[in-house]
Amino acid sequence: DAGVIQSPRHEVTEMGQEVTLRCKPISGHNSLFWYRQTMMRGLELLIYFNNNVPIDDSGMPEDRFSAKMPNASFSTLKIQPSEPRDSAVYFCAGAQGRGDTQYFGPGTRLTVL
Amino acid sequence: QQQVKQSPQSLIVQKGGISIINCAYENTAFDYFPWYQQFPGKGPALLIAIRPDVSEKKEGRFTISFNKSAKQFSLHIMDSQPGDSATYFCAASRVTSYGKLTFGQGTILTVHP
Repeated sequence: DAGVIQSPRHEVTEMGQEVTLRCKPISGHNSLFWYRQTMMRGLELLIYFNNNVPIDDSGMPEDRFSAKMPNASFSTLKIQPSEPRDSAVYFCAGAQGRGDTQYFGPGTRLTVL
Repeated sequence: QQQVKQSPQSLIVQKGGISIINCAYENTAFDYFPWYQQFPGKGPALLIAIRPDVSEKKEGRFTISFNKSAKQFSLHIMDSQPGDSATYFCAASRVTSYGKLTFGQGTILTVHP
C-alpha cells in the first residue's frame, strides 16, 4: 500500500484565495483526521470522520474552514478565504476500526502571502 | 480535562545517553497512551504505545513507564543515537472517541554524536 496520500505537498497562495487540500487514506481505514501543525500551537485536531460522517468539528477554527468526505477513499479540507495566519502544515491521518494507531500522511505545507 | 501536558519542550543528549520525556494527563477515562515520532518534513508515526493495565512496555531501546495513580507516563530512550533526533509527541485517547487522540505539545530531541 502507498500509505496516506496528500496533495498538494506544497501550496503558496495569496490572501483571500480559496485553498483545497486533499487526502486519500489507506484502504480499509474508516476513521479520518485532519490536523494543523504550527510551531506556536503544535499539533491541533481540526475535524475527524468515522465511516465518512463528521464526528467532531470543534477544532475547526472558523467558518472559513470546511471539510468533506464524500467517500471512504477521499477527503478535502477547504479554506475560503485564506489568510496569512492559516499558514501551517496540514496533515490527514487514517485509522482502522477503533483507531488506536493513526497513520499520518506526509502533510501539505500551506503558505498564505 | 482533555489536556495532555508534555515536558521538556526540548532536550539535548549525548550519544549513548538516556533521553527521558514526561507527560501528564487529567482525564481518567483515557485508556490508551501512544508516543509518536516525527522527523523533519514527515508526518508523525507511531513509535510505541501502552494501556493502563501494565506499568511498563519495552520495545528495543524504547520504554514507556506508566503511573496510573499519578496520571503520568514517560518515554525512555536508552543508548540514544543521532538518528533518534526528532520531535516526540505523547498522546492519549479513550475507548468511545473513535480513536481521537489528544496530543502533548511535543519535545524536540537532539542527540549529539
